[in-house]
Amino acid sequence: EAEVAQSPRYKITEKSQAVAFWCDPISGHATLYWYRQILGQGPELLVQFQDESVVDDSQLPKDRFSAERLKGVDSTLKIQPAELGDSAMYLCASSFVRLADHNEQFFGPGTRLTVL
Amino acid sequence: QQPVQSPQAVILREGEDAVINCSSSKALYSVHWYRQKHGEAPVFLMILLKGGEQKGHDKISASFNEKKQQSSLYLTASQLSYSGTYFCGTEPYTGFQKLVFGTGTRLLVSP
Repeated sequence: EAEVAQSPRYKITEKSQAVAFWCDPISGHATLYWYRQILGQGPELLVQFQDESVVDDSQLPKDRFSAERLKGVDSTLKIQPAELGDSAMYLCASSFVRLADHNEQFFGPGTRLTVL
Repeated sequence: QQPVQSPQAVILREGEDAVINCSSSKALYSVHWYRQKHGEAPVFLMILLKGGEQKGHDKISASFNEKKQQSSLYLTASQLSYSGTYFCGTEPYTGFQKLVFGTGTRLLVSP
């Protein structure tokens, strides 16, 4: 069964350092999402891609976060510099979405980030 | 604004029923339901589209009242495997294909 892949699964870093997360969506899924989930809360959308284009990044802290999906397949989320408050689970999800579709999102296993 | 779920937590014995509610302040096009076990990724359960439809999957079903901007998830004859945190993901008219997840409901099913 096809799955969304993410790496690394765990990342520990010191504040002010740079970190990067990678996501490979299910093959053929045009839409890719990055979410941040703080323990005990629901996922919060950071950025949404349709193919290689950003559809929504209104909740992305652009002073320190960046995301790209250059060829419309896999994606990288970067934080530079990391802050203590960035400690969270970072989830990637993908969806086979076309205009007027409302399909489910498939989530990857996530990257748990701890900033010391 | 984040949808509000109720109750925040519920404890059941195996075989008992539960209802989880999700309420939004925005007009919704659809509601998605997910279950997340501790340390794992959310797993999709079902989507409900506008039109007040009700869906079911095995002993889990849901309804969507678009006029009230509310959805409910019904768990009948609960099993141990139902334990986890349930999230509704709401798709507002102003955010096509963009989900806003609720506050979550923790469900524990005991033997």
